[in-house]
Amino acid sequence: GAVVSQHPSWVICKSGTSVKIECRSLDFQATTMFWYRQFPKQSLMLMATSNEGSKATYEQGVEKDKFLINHASLTLSTLTVTSAHPEDSSFYICSARGLAGYYEQYFGPGTRLTVT
Amino acid sequence: GQNIDQPTEMTATEGAIVQINCTYQTSGFNGLFWYQQHAGEAPTFLSYNVLDGLEEKGRFSSFLSRSKGYSYLLLKELQMKDSASYLCAVIDSNYQLIWGAGTKLIIKP
Repeated sequence: GAVVSQHPSWVICKSGTSVKIECRSLDFQATTMFWYRQFPKQSLMLMATSNEGSKATYEQGVEKDKFLINHASLTLSTLTVTSAHPEDSSFYICSARGLAGYYEQYFGPGTRLTVT
Repeated sequence: GQNIDQPTEMTATEGAIVQINCTYQTSGFNGLFWYQQHAGEAPTFLSYNVLDGLEEKGRFSSFLSRSKGYSYLLLKELQMKDSASYLCAVIDSNYQLIWGAGTKLIIKP
């Protein structure tokens, strides 16, 4: 149980375009979802935390108008990278937490974004 | 501030035992996780400790001392597939997960 999927697994887009990444909890209801970014050979960097039905909480330094997060249901959160630039190229990983009283985060497989 | 320290890189031999340490200073404590992350993949859960002591799970064990702000992950009978980064993460008083930078473990034949 506790499976999280992400789509797409990789995407290449042109500079200036927008890309949407979906994160789904397949067999549980995710009250909280997290979006991370990871550059090569670096650790995970939390971008934002989203709770179903409310606005996401962004970490310091993360532009909320550039990285739009929507958590419309208990099983789906989306991250849209707007007006992407080459420096946005990274590995984006979502995780979900839903089990009451337990704080483990279940990770999706990640989405590798390359902006040309 | 909040801080989690773990060695950047470690090297060990196939079949041997390796211990990866993690020390933390956080605002509150609600548990500590160890995750394994292979290159190009998302992290996968290894262990969760919230009480002092040793938790054993197959070849992997995790130890916690809350009074010392210290944990370690012990890997026995190392296999080549254990080559990965190992991430220590602590849940603080706000139930936020604070991540360490990870320890890259290199296994040599």
